[in-house]
Amino acid sequence: DAGVIQSPRHEVTEMGQEVTLRCKPISGHNSLFWYRQTMMRGLELLIYFNNNVPIDDSGMPEDRFSAKMPNASFSTLKIQPSEPRDSAVYFCASSPTSGSGKTQYFGPGTRLLVL
Amino acid sequence: QQQVKQSPQSLIVQKGGISIINCAYENTAFDYFPWYQQFPGKGPALLIAIRPDVSEKKEGRFTISFNKSAKQFSLHIMDSQPGDSATYFCAASGTNSGYALNFGKGTSLLVTP
Repeated sequence: DAGVIQSPRHEVTEMGQEVTLRCKPISGHNSLFWYRQTMMRGLELLIYFNNNVPIDDSGMPEDRFSAKMPNASFSTLKIQPSEPRDSAVYFCASSPTSGSGKTQYFGPGTRLLVL
Repeated sequence: QQQVKQSPQSLIVQKGGISIINCAYENTAFDYFPWYQQFPGKGPALLIAIRPDVSEKKEGRFTISFNKSAKQFSLHIMDSQPGDSATYFCAASGTNSGYALNFGKGTSLLVTP
């Protein structure tokens, strides 16, 4: 399996622009997670989906952030409008089925820089 | 609010030495405690995990020690190698909070030759 695929790997944009990050989970995995990693705050969960349904979006910083999972093989995280403080590495992870203790497999991340 | 506290922030160990990273948690509903390893430019990858019904789990040179009463767990890396140089994250999750991982802030480990 190719693992979790994320695109783009790097994104540089200007403040105010819309940014869309993409994720393809491992085939057969039912759960998908979006995390953000910064030096100050470490790895933070933004939102997760189970069977394409958003379960917990309490980690989404504010209304500028939105995430969708239209089908089992694709998810997007959108920031509109972007701000410099959104600069971070965004990871997508997937896991098989549901329940505590299931290994989460992380993608390589998207490094976002907002100027 | 950081639900999992990790220390030290950074660690330098000589080749062949023992690396020890500690974590503490507050939520007694957590029932799964994994450790993830991350190399620069890569996503975190599961290293080893433990459930609170055992006090220790060993996989090769990596051992998790778990103290349920103290709500603490630690990672020991025996015979540390330069290839172990990476950032290590402890995490915790529980069924009553879904299964999202709550991560510690990470420990940057450098193993010198």
